[in-house]
Amino acid sequence: AQSVTQPDIHITVSEGASLELRCNYSYGATPYLFWYVQSPGQGLQLLLKYFSGDTLVQGIKGFEAEFKRSQSSFNLRKPSVHWSDAAEYFCAVGRKAAGNKLTFGGGTRVLVKP
Amino acid sequence: DTAVSQTPKYLVTQMGNDKSIKCEQNLGHDTMYWYKQDSKKFLKIMFSYNNKELIINETVPNRFSPKSPDKAHLNLHINSLELGDSAVYFCASTLTGVTGNTIYFGEGSWLTVV
Repeated sequence: AQSVTQPDIHITVSEGASLELRCNYSYGATPYLFWYVQSPGQGLQLLLKYFSGDTLVQGIKGFEAEFKRSQSSFNLRKPSVHWSDAAEYFCAVGRKAAGNKLTFGGGTRVLVKP
Repeated sequence: DTAVSQTPKYLVTQMGNDKSIKCEQNLGHDTMYWYKQDSKKFLKIMFSYNNKELIINETVPNRFSPKSPDKAHLNLHINSLELGDSAVYFCASTLTGVTGNTIYFGEGSWLTVV
């Protein structure tokens, strides 16, 4: 069965500082990996995804993530955080079979200090 | 021109009532989902329909009954609401059979049972 772990429940970062959110997955085959962001009171917005090819993927809002098969990780990064990046971030793993079900991690809440 | 739209966005109701949440997508997708986000922000799939057929049915009380009248709609009916049903319910959709397909989420429906 597939599973996703986000070790950090919340992270506080200063505006302008760099951000890295950790994600570890467990899946038997090559995973489809996603990062979604949820702003307070809002729905889920896709930041980026990895299916194959280049292991460093670029997303929206200046985010990027790197797939490391050897570490079963898909960490999300942003070089310089803006106050508007305060939100909940979810890593998810999916599979093409069986309806492409997504399994989510528990989420990481990002707080941005001025 | 919202891609995945849910109604209502907010719903407050009493225990024991029956309520429905509606979802529509205008993306031409063939698969739709319901996910539940609990008070701890944990997201878990409930159901998935592909071309109006149920393909994923996780361990969900049978008080929850999804209905898909056509590929573009997936409604969720909940009977005899309980306090523990209070959560955010997300509808989502995707196009299966396409490598790299993304799952798009609606804005969520905030259900509060009192």
